[in-house]
Formats: sequence, structure tokens, C-alpha cells
Amino acid sequence: GENVEQHPSTLSVQEGDSAVIKCTYSDSASNYFPWYKQELGKRPQLIIDIRSNVGEKKDQRIAVTLNKTAKHFSLHITETQPEDSAVYFCAARLTFGKGTLLTVNP
Amino acid sequence: DSGVTQTPKHLITATGQRVTLRCSPRSGDLSVYWYQQSLDQGLQFLIHYYNGEERAKGNILERFSAQQFPDLHSELNLSSLELGDSALYFCASSALDLGTPLHFGNGTRLTVT
Repeated sequence: GENVEQHPSTLSVQEGDSAVIKCTYSDSASNYFPWYKQELGKRPQLIIDIRSNVGEKKDQRIAVTLNKTAKHFSLHITETQPEDSAVYFCAARLTFGKGTLLTVNP
Repeated sequence: DSGVTQTPKHLITATGQRVTLRCSPRSGDLSVYWYQQSLDQGLQFLIHYYNGEERAKGNILERFSAQQFPDLHSELNLSSLELGDSALYFCASSALDLGTPLHFGNGTRLTVT
């Protein structure tokens, strides 16, 4: 089955800085890579996704990059704001990474 | 609101008991997924149904079972409950099979005492 590794497990940044979260996957057949944000006590919600025929995708302050050869993909958040504080999960197929707790300090 | 409805929101029961968690997917979605989230843990995949058929199984215990009914709602049955089964159980739905975004319900918080 698929195995997804996510790093770092915690990330603390100052407001306005950038944050990068990285994931690797094992199954070369995987072709869809979503990122979910889970605020405390709430359900996970999709924030951005990328398919294997695309190398990069942007949505305002959020971007995702994919390197199929190396089997890794990354989430980039620029100009971070306190409301970006949450747990972020990457996924491949049905498998989720263990999550990254992002804290944005005002 | 994701459109995915999970009931009940909270469930408190004793060890050895059996419970049923219910999920109604978004209108039009054919796939239903069940995930378990324990304290400080990620989202552990349990099982996936597509249009009534089981499509994939994850780390689902033999004490757990699920099904998707003709109206596409799904139930997750947990039996012989143990303290370690205490967790937040999420249901998610998606329009098609793999490769489409998951829409999560608000979860059922199960506490086994």
C-alpha cells in the first residue's frame, strides 16, 4: 500500500514569514495529491490539490509543487497570518501524512 | 458546511459494547470513506465504498465493519469496544472514485469507558 511521510511535525513562524511542509510518497501509481487544513476541533478541509500532470499550482498565498521523479510534493504558504495556524495534512491515494502543526506568531 | 452528515456527534459507551456510526454523503457523491483520528494522531484510513461496493480496506480491525446502502448512506459498526477505540471517527465523501477531493463530515466523537 501507499506510505506517506510528512515533515516537519511542528512548525512555528512569525507572521509574514513563509512556511513550507514536505511530503514523500511511495507508490509511483499515485496521481492525485491533496492538502487539507484542520483547525482545532474542526473537520479537515481541502485547501489545494495537484495532479501528476502538473508540476506546480498556486492559489493566492498557497502553492503546491510536485516532483514525480523524486516522489515528493510540498505545500508553500507565503505571507503567513495567525489564521493560518492549524494542522496541515498531505495525502496520496487514501493515505494521509501524520500532519504538521503550524503556529503563526503575531 | 460540507454537506456530509454524521450522527451521532458524541457517543459514550462501555468496554465490550457495540455501536453504530452513521454517515450521509453529499448529494450526488458516490464514494464514502471512513477515517479514525486518535489524540495526537493523524487520519487513519479504515475503509472506502464506491456506489455500494467495498473498494479498499485500510487498517480496519476485525471487530469493525461497515457497509454502504443503496441510498448511498454508510454505517460503521464497532463491536467488542476497547478503551483504545476512543477516537474521532470521520466520514468523508467524494464525487467519484479515487482522485477527487474528500469532503469531511464533522465527525463522531467516541468515548469508551
